[in-house]
Amino acid sequence: DVKVTQSSRYLVKRTGEKVFLECVQDMDHENMFWYRQDPGLGLRLIYFSYDVKMKEKGDIPEGYSVSREKKERFSLILESASTNQTSMYLCASMILLRSGRVDTQYFGPGTRLTVL
Amino acid sequence: AQTVTQSQPEMSVQEAETVTLSCTYDTSESNYYLFWYKQPPSRQMILVIRQEAYKQQNATENRFSVNFQKAAKSFSLKISDSQLGDTAMYFCALRGGGADGLTFGKGTHLIIQP
Repeated sequence: DVKVTQSSRYLVKRTGEKVFLECVQDMDHENMFWYRQDPGLGLRLIYFSYDVKMKEKGDIPEGYSVSREKKERFSLILESASTNQTSMYLCASMILLRSGRVDTQYFGPGTRLTVL
Repeated sequence: AQTVTQSQPEMSVQEAETVTLSCTYDTSESNYYLFWYKQPPSRQMILVIRQEAYKQQNATENRFSVNFQKAAKSFSLKISDSQLGDTAMYFCALRGGGADGLTFGKGTHLIIQP
């Protein structure tokens, strides 16, 4: 089974702090994603990565950056946390099938971040 | 830009009943994929069912099936013989032909009553 893990289930930080959210997958997937989930808004894509050191902006990248130094690890960075970044953050990974068939995104358990 | 719309914020049915969750979408791509994900309370998001847009046949996974109406851009999920464990948030999602991220709807909170 694919396993996607996130470093913390719950995190409380103060405004202005630098925050790192870590995600690790164990299936050698090329593609990794960061979403935030807010009630009534569903999930929105922040950033994604096709490969090591590659990154692409999603729909809401403002206030965030990412790092992918190793294939299995994808980090989301809040350079200066703000209260409007209080949210549930979900990481996902996906293998790219050369055959063209669709594959599934596998999600981690999520990190609930509160910024005070 | 792609959009996914789920018009039912919450639904409640009795155990063993059949329930249908609605989803409409919009995309300019000719090759795309549609998904239904389930997120149980305080638990991980898991895939329920997926549909490739080029396939005319509706996908089925045990008690879960979809009604894919490509021309109408509609992708509804039918749950037959609903069970208490089906209580969850259900998200409809869309992805283009590449390896981009998913575009999600706002979700439907489904409650199965005993």
